Amino acid sequence: RKEVEQDPGPFNVPEGATVAFNCTYSNSASQSFFWYRQDCRKEPKLLMSVYSSGNEDGRFTAQLNRASQYISLLIRDSKLSDSATYLCVVNSNNFNKFYFGSGTKLNVKP
Amino acid sequence: GAVVSQHPSWVICKSGTSVKIECRSLDFQATTMFWYRQFPKQSLMLMATSNEGSKATYEQGVEKDKFLINHASLTLSTLTVTSAHPEDSSFYICSAEALGRRYYGNTIYFGEGSWLTVV
Repeated sequence: RKEVEQDPGPFNVPEGATVAFNCTYSNSASQSFFWYRQDCRKEPKLLMSVYSSGNEDGRFTAQLNRASQYISLLIRDSKLSDSATYLCVVNSNNFNKFYFGSGTKLNVKP
Repeated sequence: GAVVSQHPSWVICKSGTSVKIECRSLDFQATTMFWYRQFPKQSLMLMATSNEGSKATYEQGVEKDKFLINHASLTLSTLTVTSAHPEDSSFYICSAEALGRRYYGNTIYFGEGSWLTVV
């Protein structure tokens, strides 16, 4: 079983739509969780960390569900510029390793 | 914010030659850096974990003699692809771990990536 799993998509949504991605992780001891955004042929960039209590940054909301071992990313009022691949990253601090999901591709269309 | 610089961004080399890629953390010290490879339309694949002052830890299936990693200082790690072949053509990305500070837990920042084409 993979450490981190994501639906590869693509998710094709119209501008203004709300879209959500989930990411499941297998190691219950995982400590830190992040969402990264990767544009085509570019390096991943940190979008937001995911806190236990959930956190919001503008149109983006991230949540953590430890009981079910998944994190989620909600994007409201989608913009064309949101089109990218969203990577889920999980860190097990005990082992100092970061595990990546395969990424979920989002296409926001006019 | 934290910045990681990677060089070169693009490199074309002949088959059989070696190529060195540098990864620098510009405004923080990185005891741990990571090297990834990404083929088109595929996810990042961790190749190795580079620890300052000690040998790198390679992931299963990654040839340590082919992908030489050196982490000589707290701000620099290098990846050398030795005797490169066309199948080594890929996007190579490094990342460095920034400890604590503003973020919950440890956060990783990525270099801009290096496109390697072996002809």
